[in-house]
Amino acid sequence: DVKVTQSSRYLVKRTGEKVFLECVQDMDHENMFWYRQDPGLGLRLIYFSYDVKMKEKGDIPEGYSVSREKKERFSLILESASTNQTSMYLCASSLLQGALETQYFGPGTRLLVL
Amino acid sequence: AQSVTQLDSQVPVFEEAPVELRCNYSSSVSVYLFWYVQYPNQGLQLLLKYLSGSTLVKGINGFEAEFNKSQTSFHLRKPSVHISDTAEYFCAVNPGTYKYIFGTGTRLKVLA
Repeated sequence: DVKVTQSSRYLVKRTGEKVFLECVQDMDHENMFWYRQDPGLGLRLIYFSYDVKMKEKGDIPEGYSVSREKKERFSLILESASTNQTSMYLCASSLLQGALETQYFGPGTRLLVL
Repeated sequence: AQSVTQLDSQVPVFEEAPVELRCNYSSSVSVYLFWYVQYPNQGLQLLLKYLSGSTLVKGINGFEAEFNKSQTSFHLRKPSVHISDTAEYFCAVNPGTYKYIFGTGTRLKVLA
């Protein structure tokens, strides 16, 4: 079974703090994704990585950056957290690009920024 | 640009009753269609997907969906729901790239 794990299930941070969300997959997948999930808005893609050190912006990259130094690990960074970044963050991975490949999701990190 | 509409934000249904969760999409190109389920406090998992071929797609847990190209719909159905089906369901489209466009989700609440 593919496993995607996220470092924290719940996080509480203060405005202005630097926040790291980590995601690890154990199936040697090429592609990794960070989504943000908000009620009534569904999932929105923040960043996507198709290889080590490679990344592409998604629909809402502002205020976020990412790092992929190793194939199995994809980090989402909030340089200076703001209250409007309070949300559920979901990481996903897939073996190859394209719709033929299923995305596998982690359990999510619920972030509260005070 | 592609978009996905899930008109029903919440659907309450009694246990053992049938259910249909609606999904409509708009796209100028061919797309691939998906339904994902999110159980409480969990990530999303794939229920089923339509890539090509038969328009009736069967998925896990007794769910099925029908692709209707003329109506640009991909509604999800189950003939008899269980309490354990209580979850949020997301429809998604993919035009053949890395990018998925998700709908806003439908919360299915199964009542005893």
